[in-house]
Amino acid sequence: DTGVSQDPRHKITKRGQNVTFRCDPISEHNRLYWYRQTLGQGPEFLTYFQNEAQLEKSRLLSDRFSAERPKGSFSTLEIQRTEQGDSAMYLCASSRLTLNYGYTFGSGTRLTVV
Amino acid sequence: KQEVTQIPAALSVPEGENLVLNCSFTDSAIYNLQWFRQDPGKGLTSLLLIQSSQREQTSGRLNASLDKSSGRSTLYIAASQPGDSATYLCAVGSGGTGTASKLTFGTGTRLQVTL
Repeated sequence: DTGVSQDPRHKITKRGQNVTFRCDPISEHNRLYWYRQTLGQGPEFLTYFQNEAQLEKSRLLSDRFSAERPKGSFSTLEIQRTEQGDSAMYLCASSRLTLNYGYTFGSGTRLTVV
Repeated sequence: KQEVTQIPAALSVPEGENLVLNCSFTDSAIYNLQWFRQDPGKGLTSLLLIQSSQREQTSGRLNASLDKSSGRSTLYIAASQPGDSATYLCAVGSGGTGTASKLTFGTGTRLQVTL
């Protein structure tokens, strides 16, 4: 159990560029989640996958955002045409599909759009 | 819509003191409640998970309670240490099947333990 891994840890990009983040969950975890956290706030739900199926997306996830989990293992979160308001910490978490199992979070990817 | 509130927003205590962090939520239809710790610029570390059928959980110097009917949880930290300085986040799990599909977080309590 190596924990949830996120890459990169930090990303600085110019407004209008596309960025992609990767999350590797704990291997036996069926569910994978993406959250976004801005300064001084708690994380906010973006989307989650059960195996390779994306089961729910938040209204926060605009058309510029897309997430995939092609083989039910790692996941990617892409932001197209980044805006300054996209600057935040993007957190990935995973969990088992067992009643009342808790979440394990990764260290996050901090995105700065300049 | 679930809303989670944490009080106080910030707390400074001298080393050795016992302290209580409070969390309240508006919708009692929850799967579980999880307390996390977050150090500046870092991810979240899970501290305690309380299932909806449980009243409390303990781990070392930490004790978390849950009163689902009143929509409240507390995190008790005994004999605080400078290393406990961090932001503590309360998250309520709801939705989905089998396990919570979504966590709703409070804005956290920023704790500083001074020497």
